[in-house]
Amino acid sequence: DIQMTQSPSSLSASVGDRVTITCRASLGIRNDLGWFQQKPGKAPKRLIYAASTLQSGVPSRFSGSGSGTEFTLTISSLQPEDFATYYCLQHNNYPWTFGQGTKVEIK
Amino acid sequence: QFQLQESGPGLVKPSETLSLICTVSGGSMRSSSYYWGWIRQPPGKGLEWIGSIYYSGSTYYSPSLKTRVTTSVDTSKNQFSLRLTSVTAVDTAVYYCARGIVGANYLYAFDIWGQGTMVTVSS
Repeated sequence: DIQMTQSPSSLSASVGDRVTITCRASLGIRNDLGWFQQKPGKAPKRLIYAASTLQSGVPSRFSGSGSGTEFTLTISSLQPEDFATYYCLQHNNYPWTFGQGTKVEIK
Repeated sequence: QFQLQESGPGLVKPSETLSLICTVSGGSMRSSSYYWGWIRQPPGKGLEWIGSIYYSGSTYYSPSLKTRVTTSVDTSKNQFSLRLTSVTAVDTAVYYCARGIVGANYLYAFDIWGQGTMVTVSS
């Protein structure tokens, strides 16, 4: 199985901060990775697909990069509505695996 | 616009079978352009992929659940289903259904999710 190591597990940041979240795959997964945002009590929402393509309707302050084994999700200027938990998902090889999640909290 | 909605019992007894249905609206499941999946989330924990099913009928499951899980699609009803047998308390979770897209040269991760349904395993 491909393990996805996501870091950090949590972070505190202020509105306007630049935030970076990383997912590392135990094997190369090309660009078969998505990023999801989940708010309490809600279903996950896809932000990024194919590692770096922004989902339609998602603000441009979100961006994804990487290929192979290392991937990042960047929020260029954190907004109040961005406080949530973020997950990566590799869909290169079964079984698909999620990262452990990163909870972004208000400093 | 596709929408997905999970339904099923909110309480299941230990050793019994958990059965959920995902009803798809706003579009047809009768297309090889889509695949369908189940994901769960225990209270306070992260997301766990359960399995995916394709238009061809091919299925893929999490190894940790493979001996207990079955998924199927009923295109006549625009529904797909999840069955998980011999449940225990560790199967208590919010269960989500989701849609993914099969592109010409790429498989796209889940883009549309149901709102989720909480299933508690308890006597």
